[in-house]
Amino acid sequence: GQQLNQSPQSMFIQEGEDVSMNCTSSSIFNTWLWYKQDPGEGPVLLIALYKAGELTSNGRLTAQFGITRKDSFLNISASIPSDVGIYFCAGLPEQGGSEKLVFGKGTKLTVNP
Amino acid sequence: KAGVTQTPRYLIKTRGQQVTLSCSPISGHRSVSWYQQTPGQGLQFLFEYFSETQRNKGNFPGRFSGRQFSNSRSEMNVSTLELGDSALYLCASSWTGTEQYFGPGTRLTVT
Repeated sequence: GQQLNQSPQSMFIQEGEDVSMNCTSSSIFNTWLWYKQDPGEGPVLLIALYKAGELTSNGRLTAQFGITRKDSFLNISASIPSDVGIYFCAGLPEQGGSEKLVFGKGTKLTVNP
Repeated sequence: KAGVTQTPRYLIKTRGQQVTLSCSPISGHRSVSWYQQTPGQGLQFLFEYFSETQRNKGNFPGRFSGRQFSNSRSEMNVSTLELGDSALYLCASSWTGTEQYFGPGTRLTVT
């Protein structure tokens, strides 16, 4: 249905490495959003995507809206210790007619200095 | 522009009590959404208000309610608290309803 499967659940990487995570669904989405949450804080919006195939960057972060409209990807290049946190994808389903975002369960990123 | 603010940041309540949480959206945003975040269930949508009207509702019992004022500020209320209501409650505001900007959350602990 309208669930989002986010993977991987967690990642342990060395500082300087590139990171890739993705979000998939069996449903079609009109919008994809990527958020980062630090411990004890609310999620912060990183990137918003509105069109299939769209590729958008925000500094070292790049996200893509999948061509099938059922997935999205987030890449982080040259990771640094402050990239640590939980990354959430969120999508607005095409079906349903309501403006209700659906969230993935998050990817927890740990960066070893 | 100031971000979304939520008060209080931390709250401890006893089972059976009721609680009211407050959210002030980003200036100009008329949509306010509330979410419950727990380690096991992730981010779960509670409800959304737009121009003082509830526009969307999640699958939570009637003990969870909310309202929005004419200045777009919003409150959510949980009555007859249960241990399982312990969570981080997040408020998010939006101009369109899609790009949502979150506040820091209220950490509610029910004992």
